[in-house]
Amino acid sequence: GAGVSQSPSNKVTEKGKDVELRCDPISGHTALYWYRQRLGQGLEFLIYFQGNSAPDKSGLPSDRFSAERTGESVSTLTIQRTQQEDSAVYLCASSEQGLQYFGPGTRLLVL
Amino acid sequence: QKEVEQNSGPLSVPEGAIASLNCTYSDRGSQSFFWYRQYSGKSPELIMSIYSNGDKEDGRFTAQLNKASQYVSLLIRDSQPSDSATYLCAVNSLNTGFQKLVFGTGTRLLVSP
Repeated sequence: GAGVSQSPSNKVTEKGKDVELRCDPISGHTALYWYRQRLGQGLEFLIYFQGNSAPDKSGLPSDRFSAERTGESVSTLTIQRTQQEDSAVYLCASSEQGLQYFGPGTRLLVL
Repeated sequence: QKEVEQNSGPLSVPEGAIASLNCTYSDRGSQSFFWYRQYSGKSPELIMSIYSNGDKEDGRFTAQLNKASQYVSLLIRDSQPSDSATYLCAVNSLNTGFQKLVFGTGTRLLVSP
């Protein structure tokens, strides 16, 4: 079946602009995660959605970051007033029974 | 102390050898353990999961778990150059929620022909 998909695959933006990243999880997966991976670094947890429960936002680095998910479908990660330090690959993963499957990521470059 | 620790490497092994990748974790309540492979410029790919003490084999891969020592490892037999990648250990942490995983920073493996 189809895996996790993310769009856009690459995004170049200017400092101060807002960006929106999209994740389409595997159908039927109730859990969805966003991670950030800076060049040469490990995975940094951002936010976790589980069904209709309140999301775990404990990993969001600042109030410029927000994410939404409606039910068990698409999620969007929004970064407002982007900074150069936001440049990274943003990875989405969906999960069922604890097994996480990653999308291809969105590579964000803030100039 | 980091929750999940891995040696960053690189771990260099010749083709055909056994590669041994190690991971330690701090949360004694952890119940699920995973190994992901990440090729350069790509996203992590799940290769193994293990939930109980002992060994679990899948093809050339063997995951080993020792909860008493808080230690999980991945053995790759008959290593191939195509196995060259960064291997991420991930552990579910009850401190952060059952479904959430904490990732190590990964060990880079280089298999030379």
